[in-house]
Amino acid sequence: DAGVIQSPRHEVTEMGQEVTLRCKPISGHDYLFWYRQTMMRGLELLIYFNNNVPIDDSGMPEDRFSAKMPNASFSTLKIQPSEPRDSAVYFCASSKEGDRGEPLHFGNGTRLTVT
Amino acid sequence: AQSVAQPEDQVNVAEGNPLTVKCTYSVSGNPYLFWYVQYPNRGLQFLLKYITGDNLVKGSYGFEAEFNKSQTSFHLKKPSALVSDSALYFCAVRDFLYNFNKFYFGSGTKLNVKP
Repeated sequence: DAGVIQSPRHEVTEMGQEVTLRCKPISGHDYLFWYRQTMMRGLELLIYFNNNVPIDDSGMPEDRFSAKMPNASFSTLKIQPSEPRDSAVYFCASSKEGDRGEPLHFGNGTRLTVT
Repeated sequence: AQSVAQPEDQVNVAEGNPLTVKCTYSVSGNPYLFWYVQYPNRGLQFLLKYITGDNLVKGSYGFEAEFNKSQTSFHLKKPSALVSDSALYFCAVRDFLYNFNKFYFGSGTKLNVKP
């Protein structure tokens, strides 16, 4: 299995621009999570989906952030408009339903820099 | 509320010496505990987990962890450190009671293994 695939690996954009981050979860996984990692705040859960349906978006910082999962093999996280404080590494992770010992499987992340 | 604490931002150890990375937890109900490792520019990789049973669990790359219910700890250990073990380590607990699909991560501990 190729694991969780994220694109792009690096994104540099100017303040005010729209940014779209992409994720392909592991085939057969029912849950998909978006995390953000910064030095100051560590790992933060932004939102997660179950069977393509958003379950908990309480971690989404502002209305500028939105996430979709149109099918079982693809999800996007969009920031519009972007701001310098959004600079961070964004991770996507997936897991299977039913096994409480099932760990999260992370992608390699997208490093976002907003200038 | 569920939480984990990693009291050390950084741990330094010489190659060949034993290492310990500390984690304490606070949960309602049974703890489902995990350790992850993060290498530079990579996502988090699952190392090991405690769900039930033997208090000493073994994982990848020669790592093991000891679950101690009375001290609410789940310390990561390795008998003989390698330079290649240098990385960022995260302890996590899975929410058992309120939101089964949420993982709560510690702030991370940077492990430096010197030759």
